[in-house]
Amino acid sequence: GQQVMQIPQYQHVQEGEDFTTYCNSSTTLSNIQWYKQRPGGHPVFLIQLVKSGEVKKQKRLTFQFGEAKKNSSLHITATQTTDVGTYFCAGRYGGSQGNLIFGKGTKLSVKP
Amino acid sequence: DTAVSQTPKYLVTQMGNDKSIKCEQNLGHDTMYWYKQDSKKFLKIMFSYNNKELIINETVPNRFSPKSPDKAHLNLHINSLELGDSAVYFCASSQNGLARTRNEQFFGPGTRLTVL
Repeated sequence: GQQVMQIPQYQHVQEGEDFTTYCNSSTTLSNIQWYKQRPGGHPVFLIQLVKSGEVKKQKRLTFQFGEAKKNSSLHITATQTTDVGTYFCAGRYGGSQGNLIFGKGTKLSVKP
Repeated sequence: DTAVSQTPKYLVTQMGNDKSIKCEQNLGHDTMYWYKQDSKKFLKIMFSYNNKELIINETVPNRFSPKSPDKAHLNLHINSLELGDSAVYFCASSQNGLARTRNEQFFGPGTRLTVL
């Protein structure tokens, strides 16, 4: 079945260090979304990438979609304690109305 | 105004009981979902539903059943609760009926179910 693999599962960083989480699909995605879940909270939409090779930035967050539309990454520059949480990618298959499949998430902890 | 709301926030119950979790969205979305998030934070889709189609994840036991009285509500009924049902259950909604939209999912605050 369709799967989105996400690594690493956990990442512990010192405040100020960079952080990256990666998502991989064995088949081409229609688009990919990223969500953030704060501790005790619910997933909140961050961004959607649609085009091959697309790069989008939100302040210290940089999102990339691979040329083959099979992988994506989220990079946080100079992490802050407010970045703590679990980051999920969610890949969409089968067109813009297709199923959204969530990765298992990367739990980020930031040591002040 | 909460976009997607769930009740109750916490639910503690005994094995074998039947319970329901309610979900309401005021976004006018056409599709609603139920997810189960276990202790490892894995988000597993259980159901997706719009007024035309119910899609069931085949791994979900038939003790779980979604019920939608109208487009804005998707409730989750669970029969004969088991210990392994303990988790956080999230309701979500999205607008999937239009092309060229983001179809992002809006999640409710979650219901933490504990089965004793």
